[in-house]
Amino acid sequence: EDQVTQSPEALRLQEGESSSLNCSYTVSGLRGLFWYRQDPGKGPEFLFTLYSAGEEKEKERLKATLTKKESFLHITAPKPEDSATYLCAVQALGYSTLTFGKGTMLLVSP
Amino acid sequence: KAGVTQTPRYLIKTRGQQVTLSCSPISGHRSVSWYQQTPGQGLQFLFEYFSETQRNKGNFPGRFSGRQFSNSRSEMNVSTLELGDSALYLCASSPQPGNTEAFFGQGTRLTVV
Repeated sequence: EDQVTQSPEALRLQEGESSSLNCSYTVSGLRGLFWYRQDPGKGPEFLFTLYSAGEEKEKERLKATLTKKESFLHITAPKPEDSATYLCAVQALGYSTLTFGKGTMLLVSP
Repeated sequence: KAGVTQTPRYLIKTRGQQVTLSCSPISGHRSVSWYQQTPGQGLQFLFEYFSETQRNKGNFPGRFSGRQFSNSRSEMNVSTLELGDSALYLCASSPQPGNTEAFFGQGTRLTVV
């Protein structure tokens, strides 16, 4: 059974204080690892897909990396508007459904 | 290009009633998946439809059902509602099954009282 564990559950940062969110996964064969951002009362917003160990993707202040067992979402010099819940999900080879972690709730204070 | 549209946004139902939720995918997208999101369990997969056929089903009781129409719009139905069915129901669309980018709607917030 595919499993995704995200840590920490919640993270409070000061504006400009860089940090990383962790996503550990077990999957029979990885087709893709996804990061989404979710604001309160809204649906998840797609951020990145990573396919193989060593791959990295960047978008503004966010950078996602992937190893064979985990992914990190690095947030550089965050701003208050980066406050949201960040969700990680995996898609196994031969399957199209996503298995999600429970998310990390990020709060960035000015 | 319009995004994924879910209706209604909010719904309050009484235990024992049934409910139907609707999802219109992005134009040109033919695959629709449904997820249930609760604070305790996070996002859990309900079902996936493509070309009016259910391709996958998650581990939910038979009270949860769905269908897809020829225009790719999808509906899900929950019968004999229970308090534990209170959740945010999310629909995601992608061009075809297994596509690695799924775009979510805003969700339908269902409250069962």
